[in-house]
Amino acid sequence: GAVVSQHPSRVICKSGTSVKIECRSLDFQATTMFWYRQFPKQSLMLMATSNEGSKATYEQGVEKDKFLINHASLTLSTLTVTSAHPEDSSFYICSARPGPPNTGELFFGEGSRLTVL
Amino acid sequence: LAKTTQPISMDSYEGQEVNITCSHNNIATNDYITWYQQFPSQGPRFIIQGYKTKVTNEVASLFIPADRKSSTLSLPRVSLSDTAVYYCLVVRTDKLIFGTGTRLQVFP
Repeated sequence: GAVVSQHPSRVICKSGTSVKIECRSLDFQATTMFWYRQFPKQSLMLMATSNEGSKATYEQGVEKDKFLINHASLTLSTLTVTSAHPEDSSFYICSARPGPPNTGELFFGEGSRLTVL
Repeated sequence: LAKTTQPISMDSYEGQEVNITCSHNNIATNDYITWYQQFPSQGPRFIIQGYKTKVTNEVASLFIPADRKSSTLSLPRVSLSDTAVYYCLVVRTDKLIFGTGTRLQVFP
C-alpha cells in the first residue's frame, strides 16, 4: 500500500537551533500534505496544510514564522522548527493521500520526535 | 465539522469483542465516519470508514444507525496487540480533526 515516510524519526537539538523534518510520499504523488503535532497523552493537533507549489495554510494559533513549511515537489514536504525551544518538544506527524481528495485512505508517516534541550 | 464524543478509556480481555461507540450529533450529509488506530510513538493507521449501515473489513466492523448521529467500531476477539488509542473522526475533506480518542487496554 501507499507509504508516507518521515525523517528523522528522532532528533535532539539545543535550544535556539533550527530543525528540519522531512515527509515523503514514497510511491505516490501528493499535492497536499498535512502536518500535526502531538504532546504526550494527547490527541493529534493539526498545524498546517502543505500545498505543492504554493504557501502553506496554517491553523489558528500556529506561528507560520516559527514552523516553516515547504512543499517543493509532489513527493516531499518539509517542516522546519526555527529557533527551537523546549516547549517545541513534541511528536510531529505528517499525512498524505494518494489520488484525488476525499477518496480512499489518508496515510500517516511514522512520526518524528523532537526533543529540545 | 461535527464534534465527536467517545469514551476516554476502555478495558478488555484477550478474545473478547470490543465495541467503541462514538457520538457525532451534528454530522452533515456529506460527512463520512472514519476510525484510526494509534500505537505509542507511531502515526495513526486507518482502520475503517463508512457512510451508513454496516461496513466490515478484515480487522473490524463499523455500525452506523440510520440517523448517523453515532457509530460503533467493533473489534472481534481482541488480542494484546490491539492495545492502542482509537480515534473516531467525522470527515468531510482531507483535513482531519482528531478528538480525544479512546484508549483501549487489553489484558491477558
